[in-house]
Parts: sequence; C-alpha cells; structure tokens
Amino acid sequence: RKEVEQDPGPFNVPEGATVAFNCTYSNSASQSFFWYRQDCRKEPKLLMSVYSSGNEDGRFTAQLNRASQYISLLIRDSKLSDSATYLCVVKEAGGYQKVTFGTGTKLQVIP
Amino acid sequence: NAGVTQTPKFQVLKTGQSMTLQCAQDMNHEYMSWYRQDPGMGLRLIHYSVGAGITDQGEVPNGYNVSRSTTEDFPLRLLSAAPSQTSVYFCASNTGGQGSYEQYFGPGTRLTVT
Repeated sequence: RKEVEQDPGPFNVPEGATVAFNCTYSNSASQSFFWYRQDCRKEPKLLMSVYSSGNEDGRFTAQLNRASQYISLLIRDSKLSDSATYLCVVKEAGGYQKVTFGTGTKLQVIP
Repeated sequence: NAGVTQTPKFQVLKTGQSMTLQCAQDMNHEYMSWYRQDPGMGLRLIHYSVGAGITDQGEVPNGYNVSRSTTEDFPLRLLSAAPSQTSVYFCASNTGGQGSYEQYFGPGTRLTVT
C-alpha cells in the first residue's frame, strides 16, 4: 500500500461546480498535512495547510479525519483557473524531511 | 526576491556523462532539498540539507551527490547519467520547523538521458 494515495483523476467539472478530493495516508503517526497545487509543467506551490479542526480559505476547505486517516479538499464555485493537479502532502513528526507527496489529482474545469 | 532559482531548465545527456544541476535561494532558508518527479509517482526526495556543511540522503540518493558550502547554493551532481535518471528535478527550500512547513520550489530542470 502506498504511504499516500490519491485518485489521479482527471476530474472534469463545469465552471461553478463543487468538487472534492480525498487523500488517504497509511502512517498513523503522521502529524502535518498539506495541499499543494501544481500547474502543468510548473513547480508545486502550497495551497493550504490542513488543521485538525478543518480550515477554510475562500472557496477552498480542507478537512482532516485522523480516525480514518484521510484528508480532503473541497473547492466551491470552481473557476477555470482552478485547473491544475492537487498534491496531498503528509509529514511525520520529528524527522525534518520525512515528507511524502501523493501523486496528485488532476482537475480540469470546463467552461 | 528571486526565490528559488534552478539552472538549466532543460538538459539532454548521454549515458555515462556527468553534470551539475544548480540551485540557489535568496530567502536565507536553512533547509534545502532536491526532489525528482516522475509520471505516476509522487515527488521523491533525493538529498537534503539542514544548513551549510550538512547534507543527508533522502529516499532515492543513488547516483547523485550534493554539497552545501553556502546557505544560498545547493548543487546536485549526477555522477554517471543513466536513462533511469530521466526526470524532472525540483529544488526546494524552507525555513524548517513544524509549523506551516511551506516549501518553496524552483521552476525545475527537465533532464533527458539517452
């Protein structure tokens, strides 16, 4: 089983739709969780951290479910500019670089 | 600030050649890392550094060397290129700590080994 698993997609959604991605992780000792965005042929950039109580940033909402070991990203009112690949990132406690990237979920927002 | 810069953007090597991928950051970050990204696989850590003079191996270090003589620069050396090293290479830096842990990535180097 992969340490971090994501549905690769693509998720094709119309503008204005709401879309949600999940990411499961295998290590119950994982401590920190993040969503990164990667545009085609570009570098990844931090979209948002994921906090235990859930957090929101504009149209984006991130949730963490430790019991079931998954995180989610909800995008409301999708824009064409949201088209990208969304990477789930999980960090273990302690080790500086014990960070695992998911393979990403591709989102295509259609006019 | 330029952030994290990488050169070259593209490179084609023949099997057995060596080369150095350059990475520099101007944010005074202590921590720097090299990743490779291959289709169907997540970013994988090659080597990292927690400060000048300190480096360590990541998940896939074989065939690569690094050094960190200054805070700003973290070059990655391919010793004898192999087709399996065809990939996109990203350098990243961050301030460390358990907080937001935001990594700042360079634009990447697309390497093809024939």
